[in-house]
Amino acid sequence: KQEVTQIPAALSVPEGENLVLNCSFTDSAIYNLQWFRQDPGKGLTSLLLIQSSQREQTSGRLNASLDKSSGRSTLYIAASQPGDSATYLCATTSGTYKYIFGTGTRLKVLA
Amino acid sequence: NAGVTQTPKFRVLKTGQSMTLLCAQDMNHEYMYWYRQDPGMGLRLIHYSVGEGTTAKGEVPDGYNVSRLKKQNFLLGLESAAPSQTSVYFCASGLPGTYNEQFFGPGTRLTVL
Repeated sequence: KQEVTQIPAALSVPEGENLVLNCSFTDSAIYNLQWFRQDPGKGLTSLLLIQSSQREQTSGRLNASLDKSSGRSTLYIAASQPGDSATYLCATTSGTYKYIFGTGTRLKVLA
Repeated sequence: NAGVTQTPKFRVLKTGQSMTLLCAQDMNHEYMYWYRQDPGMGLRLIHYSVGEGTTAKGEVPDGYNVSRLKKQNFLLGLESAAPSQTSVYFCASGLPGTYNEQFFGPGTRLTVL
């Protein structure tokens, strides 16, 4: 059974810092891995989706990488801003339509 | 283009009452999903649908029923609400051929007293 873990559960950094959020999964036979952002009391916004055949995806200041063999994905945020403060969730599926989510990393960027 | 919408946004029920949550999407997506989000548990899949008229159980289906009579709508029903069903419910939709990228609605916060 796939398990997805995100460590740390919470992170506080000063503005301008580059940071890395981690996501690990137990079953490497994944179809894709998707990173989401969730603001308090809001729904999830898709940030990046990495297909199983890809190693990384980039969007603006965000870069997500995928290493299936080690069961890891990282989300890199460059030059962090207070507006980046949110909870970041990763989720993966083995192609059976069923996404398994991590419990998220709550990020606070201090001005 | 509204994306994925959910009705209602908030609801308070008494134990034993019933209700239906409505999810609608205007992106012509084939796949639709219902999740619940609880503190410390992350999001868990309740039921999902891969097309109009089809539904399937997810990870935590007990106490819930669903229907997908129209492609754009996915209904989640609670026949007899229990306090354990207090949660935030999210609907999502996705399109085959896009590696199952999912798009989420804003959520429904349900409290069962």
